Amino acid sequence: EVQLVESGGGLVKPGGSLRLSCAVSGFTFSSYSMNWVRQAPGKGLEWVSSISSRSSYIYYADSVKGRFTISRDNAKNSLFLQMSSLRAEDTAVYYCARDRYYYDSSALYWGQGTLVTVSS
Amino acid sequence: DIQMTQSPSTLSASVGDRVTITCRASQSISSWLAWYQQKPGKAPKLLIYKASGLESGVPSRFSGSGSGTEFTLTISSLQPDDFATYYCQQYNTYPFTFGPGTKVDIK
Repeated sequence: EVQLVESGGGLVKPGGSLRLSCAVSGFTFSSYSMNWVRQAPGKGLEWVSSISSRSSYIYYADSVKGRFTISRDNAKNSLFLQMSSLRAEDTAVYYCARDRYYYDSSALYWGQGTLVTVSS
Repeated sequence: DIQMTQSPSTLSASVGDRVTITCRASQSISSWLAWYQQKPGKAPKLLIYKASGLESGVPSRFSGSGSGTEFTLTISSLQPDDFATYYCQQYNTYPFTFGPGTKVDIK
């Protein structure tokens, strides 16, 4: 069974930093691109970042570029999102998601999400 | 960046109704479009990939069509479990972008 479990969310002050993790199981992690998608309270979905299977290709939304860093550890079946210079507008549930297949970047599997709250 | 729009933003329907949601892209995305269903407090669920591919396990009452800039999601006969919010997403070009969502509620 495919499982994605996010952790690391919490309350942080504006300007602070936080590191999210996504532990995966049930598939060959090193074969798939991975993504972070967020959803502010009561709002729609926003794609945040993607990383290819071997970290060769990395992409960010303009809203987080220069502040967030996506990474992965294929040996530990883990995906990360390092967030710095956090702003109130970064408050959201953050989901990690796996590409459907290597040739199809729709998001087939999702975690349950972890809530990040940026507030003083 | 490619902008995605959806219409309507809210749709009130009854069980058994045929429902159609439209998604438009600001430029051609070929067929690289996905549809997701999301219920409150839950992660999104992939319904349709590559504009018309029905994901395994998704009921056949869901179908997708379109290419280029205009796409539709159709539910042929709305069921109680289908009341949710639906999002389209283009994955032709980074940054990937979602539509604003269509909430399907009970009439």
